[in-house]
Amino acid sequence: SAVISQKPSRDICQRGTSLTIQCQVDSQVTMMFWYRQQPGQSLTLIATANQGSEATYESGFVIDKFPISRPNLTFSTLTVSNMSPEDSSIYLCSAGGQRVLGYTFGSGTRLTVV
Amino acid sequence: GESVGLHLPTLSVQEGDNSIINCAYSNSASDYFIWYKQESGKGPQFIIDIRSNMDKRQGQRVTVLLNKTVKHLSLQIAATQPGDSAVYFCAELNQGGKLIFGQGTELSVKP
Repeated sequence: SAVISQKPSRDICQRGTSLTIQCQVDSQVTMMFWYRQQPGQSLTLIATANQGSEATYESGFVIDKFPISRPNLTFSTLTVSNMSPEDSSIYLCSAGGQRVLGYTFGSGTRLTVV
Repeated sequence: GESVGLHLPTLSVQEGDNSIINCAYSNSASDYFIWYKQESGKGPQFIIDIRSNMDKRQGQRVTVLLNKTVKHLSLQIAATQPGDSAVYFCAELNQGGKLIFGQGTELSVKP
């Protein structure tokens, strides 16, 4: 299965600033996704990162707050914009689309906003 | 301010015993399911998957059972070990190819 590298692994940011998280996959994948995992909770899908076009956002998430890029089949970025303490969470990148291999996750970015 | 998160359901088992973790899924049209294990500070790790045309699938020390009638999945871990302590999530694949996660269960193995 694909191996995902995600960085930074953690960061502490000031409110009002923005952070860009990078996700690199070691092989070309059909689909890439971004999830948020708040403390002690399950994973919530933020959006599907589409190669060469605008990301598809889930209910409750908007492009102005979470702009996403996907310039090719192996790389994507998620930006958390104008951060507030409520954005403190773990952000996870996932890649998949081939059912035989399942869907793989990066190790996540632990974000703390102060 | 400090936020208070929901507490995950917890299953505590003795080392060597079998564990059964349950999950209810929401969409009767979902046709592919995955169980993940998440250890502290790490991303979810694939354990086993099952398609909707099956009701049982076995891996190494793990078995997944699917009951489509009641939209229920279970993960059975045989001879549970301390290294199995983690949070376990089920996930269903919807028609749009998106993986939707269940609530999760924290498994604690007592030596």
